[in-house]
Amino acid sequence: DVKVTQSSRYLVKRTGEKVFLECVQDMDHENMFWYRQDPGLGLRLIYFSYDVKMKEKGDIPEGYSVSREKKERFSLILESASTNQTSMYLCASISGHATGELFFGEGSRLTVL
Amino acid sequence: QQQVKQSPQSLIVQKGGISIINCAYENTAFDYFPWYQQFPGKGPALLIAIRPDVSEKKEGRFTISFNKSAKQFSLHIMDSQPGDSATYFCAASSPGSSARQLTFGSGTQLTVLP
Repeated sequence: DVKVTQSSRYLVKRTGEKVFLECVQDMDHENMFWYRQDPGLGLRLIYFSYDVKMKEKGDIPEGYSVSREKKERFSLILESASTNQTSMYLCASISGHATGELFFGEGSRLTVL
Repeated sequence: QQQVKQSPQSLIVQKGGISIINCAYENTAFDYFPWYQQFPGKGPALLIAIRPDVSEKKEGRFTISFNKSAKQFSLHIMDSQPGDSATYFCAASSPGSSARQLTFGSGTQLTVLP
C-alpha cells in the first residue's frame, strides 16, 4: 500500500521556536510538495521539490524553508514560528508522469502559541 | 495569478439527493482537472479527474461535467450517502511545469443527512 507518512500529527510550539515537519514517501516519487490547509482558503502550495536537493517556491513560501537530502524525504522548516503559521500542513508526492495521482499524508496540525 | 474558484463553501444534502459542487478557472492553459475528497483526520485523496477533450466523465455515483467555453467544471454526486460527507476540493494543472503543480479550489464541506 502506497504511503506518505508525516511523522508528527500534532505539534504545539511557542512563538520564535524552530519547527521541523518531516515527510517520507515509499513510492519512489520524484516530486514532493508541502501544502498548507486553512478553512476557506483550500490548499496552498508552500514549496515543492522535483528532485533531490532541488526546490522551488510555491505560492506562500514566506517564513518557510525546505530540505530534500534524500529522494524519499522532504522536510518543511519554520525558522522562527509565528502565530499566523498555526495551520494544518500536508505533504504530498507524485510521480513524474503528466497526470499522476497526488498522494497526501494525513497532515500535521501545528499550533503556535 | 492562477486561480480556481469553488462554490459553495458548504453544502447540506439529504440522503439520496444530488450534491453539486462548482468550480471556475481563469487559466486557459489548464489541461487536467481532478477532484480530491478529504475525510476528517485524513489527507485528501483523488476521487475522479477529467481532461478538457471530454465534456463528462462518470465513475459510479460521481460525475464531472466540464464546460470548456465557460471555463467551468462541476462535480455531481448522485444518490448522496452519509458516507460521502467530506470536504471536496477541485483542482487544475497545466503542462510544462517541472512538477505539475496543482492549483486547488477553496474546498466544499459536504454533509449528507441520514
